[in-house]
Amino acid sequence: DIQLTQSPSFLSASVGDRVTITCRASQGINSYLAWYQQKPGKAPKLLIYVASTLQSGVPSRFSGSRSDTEFTLTISSLQPEDFATYYCQQLNSYPITFGQGTRLEIK
Amino acid sequence: EVQLVESGGGLVQPGGSLRLSCAASGFTFSDYHMDWVRQAPGKGLEWVGRIRNKGRSYTTEYAVSVKGRFTVSRDDSKNSLFLQMNSLKTEDTAFYYCARDNHFYSFDIWGQGTMVTVSS
Repeated sequence: DIQLTQSPSFLSASVGDRVTITCRASQGINSYLAWYQQKPGKAPKLLIYVASTLQSGVPSRFSGSRSDTEFTLTISSLQPEDFATYYCQQLNSYPITFGQGTRLEIK
Repeated sequence: EVQLVESGGGLVQPGGSLRLSCAASGFTFSDYHMDWVRQAPGKGLEWVGRIRNKGRSYTTEYAVSVKGRFTVSRDDSKNSLFLQMNSLKTEDTAFYYCARDNHFYSFDIWGQGTMVTVSS
């Protein structure tokens, strides 16, 4: 199975900050990585797919990039509604796997 | 409106069975591969299984943790997805979400989830 390791697991930041979340794959997954945002009691919401494509309707302050097996999600200027848990997901091979999540909280 | 609505969750004893349903609306259900994802209380997301569309012969894939116990099926005439869960274990306790694969290596539409509790 492909392991996805997110870092950090917990992040405290302020409104207006620029934050980066990293997801490292245990082996090559091409660019078949997606990022999701989940708020308490809600279903996950797709933000980014194939590593760097912004899902329709998602604010442009969200961006994704890839360097080999390391993927990053960047929020350029945190807004109050961005405080949530973020997950990466690989769909290169089965079983489909998720990272363990990064909880982003208000400082 | 594009929508997925799960139902069928509840309390079941270990070793028991449960069948979850997911009703799709607002899109051509038969065109898409569909997935189930679960989330234990306070934990992360875990992919459960997939059923591909008719063009891919309705083939299925499963997580190792559920293979042989869970079965994903669909009824395109009723725009419905199903998850038959047998031999349930306490560790199957979770919110279960259905999700649409958008053909671009991601899940773009999710249901609101249905809770399954396995306990004696």
